[in-house]
Amino acid sequence: DAMVIQNPRYQVTQFGKPVTLSCSQTLNHNVMYWYQQKSSQAPKLLFHYYDKDFNNEADTPDNFQSRRPNTSFCFLDIRSPGLGDAAMYLCATSSGGANVLTFGAGSRLTVL
Amino acid sequence: GENVEQHPSTLSVQEGDSAVIKCTYSDSASNYFPWYKQELGKRPQLIIDIRSNVGEKKDQRIAVTLNKTAKHFSLHITETQPEDSAVYFCAARAGTYKYIFGTGTRLKVLA
Repeated sequence: DAMVIQNPRYQVTQFGKPVTLSCSQTLNHNVMYWYQQKSSQAPKLLFHYYDKDFNNEADTPDNFQSRRPNTSFCFLDIRSPGLGDAAMYLCATSSGGANVLTFGAGSRLTVL
Repeated sequence: GENVEQHPSTLSVQEGDSAVIKCTYSDSASNYFPWYKQELGKRPQLIIDIRSNVGEKKDQRIAVTLNKTAKHFSLHITETQPEDSAVYFCAARAGTYKYIFGTGTRLKVLA
């Protein structure tokens, strides 16, 4: 009954080698978010989609890109991962009406 | 820009005592304030939330209060138990869909 599913749960990559993380949802929520969280720090919003409308945070590095091909799926592309990009990446969804933010289990990225 | 401050960063209480975590937000247009509990290696889980038209909300041992004038909101946990040990994050919704998180409070309940 998982509602927000992230894959892979663990990803190891080499410095500079592109990575794609995926998120799917069965909630039919309009809004999907990508957050970066480093060791017990606050989740930091990278960007969010309202339907197909993309909203990038001003301080999100250009190294991070996102795609949302349909309502159910959203991808996070890290074009050239650096050591500082090692983190947990959390996908979340919400609907405009209910407002509740529902998180996936996260994808932990290790950069060697 | 929008900002949410959270205090304290760590909190240790004896089992059975109460714990209070406080947050302050900067965007006066914020209208929804959820609290999340995150256990080690797990996703944040919503434990309680409050909307701007309400001053207080309670759910069993957990309560949240909101002071819109001061832009403060607080989480209160009574009769704490060891399983309450976790990191707690407050958040404020700025605009229609954007959630800004506080810096987190690591709560330890000592048996």
